[in-house]
Amino acid sequence: GAGVSQSPRYKVAKRGQDVALRCDPISGHVSLFWYQQALGQGPEFLTYFQNEAQLDKSGLPSDRFFAERPEGSVSTLKIQRTQQEDSAVYLCASSLLRVQGYNEQFFGPGTRLTVL
Amino acid sequence: GENVEQHPSTLSVQEGDSAVIKCTYSDSASNYFPWYKQELGKRPQLIIDIRSNVGEKKDQRIAVTLNKTAKHFSLHITETQPEDSAVYFCAPEGGYQKVTFGTGTKLQVIP
Repeated sequence: GAGVSQSPRYKVAKRGQDVALRCDPISGHVSLFWYQQALGQGPEFLTYFQNEAQLDKSGLPSDRFFAERPEGSVSTLKIQRTQQEDSAVYLCASSLLRVQGYNEQFFGPGTRLTVL
Repeated sequence: GENVEQHPSTLSVQEGDSAVIKCTYSDSASNYFPWYKQELGKRPQLIIDIRSNVGEKKDQRIAVTLNKTAKHFSLHITETQPEDSAVYFCAPEGGYQKVTFGTGTKLQVIP
């Protein structure tokens, strides 16, 4: 079946602009994660959903970052008043079931955000 | 939060040689230990994982070993091939099911 998809693949924003990044997880996957990956670094956890519930948002760097998953499938990561330090690849991942001790994550291709 | 370190940060090996990457973590509640491979410009993909009740797991040329007492686990790649060249990340799952990625190891396999 189809894997995790993300759109847009590339986004260029002017500083101060708002952006919205979309993630379509694998159908039936309960868990959904957002990560931020700066150039040359590992993915940094942003937030986690189980169905529509946002169970962990401890990684969101500021209140300019907001994520939602209203119907427990598609998720949107919104960044308000973008800053240059927000430039990164934003990765979405989903997993089938949030079971302690086994949580293979399937990643989307990412959205490369460049803030000028 | 969980402190995760990988060593080495870069590794160059001749084709056919073995490569070993070590990951240390701090959260004693961690119980799931995956390794992801990320090729340039692509998404991370799981290559092997191990649960806390197992000490070693092997899948063809790839193996993972776990030492829970010392809080580290290692990725072993034997008979390396040029297509193994990539960045490898460990991502232990700690308490409260929190996943923390390591800083990455760039592996270069020289033909």
